[in-house]
Amino acid sequence: ETGVTQTPRHLVMGMTNKKSLKCEQHLGHNAMYWYKQSAKKPLELMFVYNFKEQTENNSVPSRFSPECPNSSHLFLHLHTLQPEDSALYLCASSQDLGGSIYNEQFFGPGTRLTVL
Amino acid sequence: KQEVTQIPAALSVPEGENLVLNCSFTDSAIYNLQWFRQDPGKGLTSLLLIQSSQREQTSGRLNASLDKSSGRSTLYIAASQPGDSATYLCAVPAYGNNRLAFGKGNQVVVIP
Repeated sequence: ETGVTQTPRHLVMGMTNKKSLKCEQHLGHNAMYWYKQSAKKPLELMFVYNFKEQTENNSVPSRFSPECPNSSHLFLHLHTLQPEDSALYLCASSQDLGGSIYNEQFFGPGTRLTVL
Repeated sequence: KQEVTQIPAALSVPEGENLVLNCSFTDSAIYNLQWFRQDPGKGLTSLLLIQSSQREQTSGRLNASLDKSSGRSTLYIAASQPGDSATYLCAVPAYGNNRLAFGKGNQVVVIP
């Protein structure tokens, strides 16, 4: 596997379910990100991790719970979601968080989440 | 707060025509600017990264220009093909860190 992978690719869940999204990067990067993409809206940054430490929570509801056990893996735990949480969830990674002309972000294919 | 605007929101062109996609951003203190391609329901594929010291970057039929002082970037796609149909996203990082601010995208349809 190369680049950034995400599983599952599609997920349908009820409002009372608990599920997790997984992201893995094979690029040797230290920073990882969760983004949400809803229809007709720009990508919204949700969480940022750098060297396994959360550096940013962009006012995300507590029903979304991220976990970063190491620099290569990032999870998003979901519980008691709402139908409006249905969206494409994208994971990305970059070398680090430093502002740099070379610091490019690489994205995974995303998980299409539908909350019934 | 960095805000990114992309115009036009959507466009259709006949195959073979050149495409011109525009991106503007409010805070010109940036390190770089990235252009991405997104196919329906899929993730983002990085097309080009322009460093703040560069005025343009080329990859095959793609050419991206950057005018940092005026807060603008343009993506040119030469001799468009039906396979170029996708949404093109422009993104800039906030100064001092790597949080990306995205535009809503340019949705392109190339008609055979």
